[in-house]
Amino acid sequence: IVLTQSPGTLSLSPGERATLSCRASQSVSGDYLAWYQQKPGQSPRLLIYAASSRATGIPDRFSGSGSGTDFTLTISRLEPEDFAVYYCQQYGSSPWTFGQGTKVEIK
Amino acid sequence: QMQLVESGGGVVQPGTSLRLSCAASGFSFRNFAMHWVRQALGKGLEWVAVVSHDEGNKYYADSVKGRFTISRDNSKNTLFLQMNSLRPEDTAVYKCAKGPGVAQGKGYIDYWGRGTLVTVSS
Repeated sequence: IVLTQSPGTLSLSPGERATLSCRASQSVSGDYLAWYQQKPGQSPRLLIYAASSRATGIPDRFSGSGSGTDFTLTISRLEPEDFAVYYCQQYGSSPWTFGQGTKVEIK
Repeated sequence: QMQLVESGGGVVQPGTSLRLSCAASGFSFRNFAMHWVRQALGKGLEWVAVVSHDEGNKYYADSVKGRFTISRDNSKNTLFLQMNSLRPEDTAVYKCAKGPGVAQGKGYIDYWGRGTLVTVSS
């Protein structure tokens, strides 16, 4: 399954709302889709699994939604520490695959 | 405190082999699935392989199937990746990662190591 994330880059200011898209080439079984955040020089951090379940310790400004082939990660109000690259991953069927990433940068 | 520490990376020529290791600590290694994910410098994430907690199930990306083998030693809390017939496009940082399992709905990754760099070049 090929995952296509859009936009490639999102330029926003702190306090604004960020909406990131992840579209699958075919339906993701069980809606088993995760979102990760990666900051420069760091390994990724799990944000969301099963499309909409927040991982332990993740602030509630992060939310996931969607089903089938269209999924969305929303950051309700961007904090300075949220500027990073975000990846989606499907794990509904093997081989697991990642999207190419969306960079959220400070405008 | 949970830790995953990779080792074994280096510079190798195309067509040769390399074995990566990942030492785990701070959690019950034998109870969890383990993944390898790679990331070329400045590029995105590419999932490579996963092994179930008991080695009963192994899955691979199409790009490495038949060349790479994932394995684990639960007595030593260690994950391995045997990489054969290496190609320049295998050049990347290889990260060891932990997940709940390989069954339906369990394939996400909840903790990552920092990685070890593999460079395939003549």
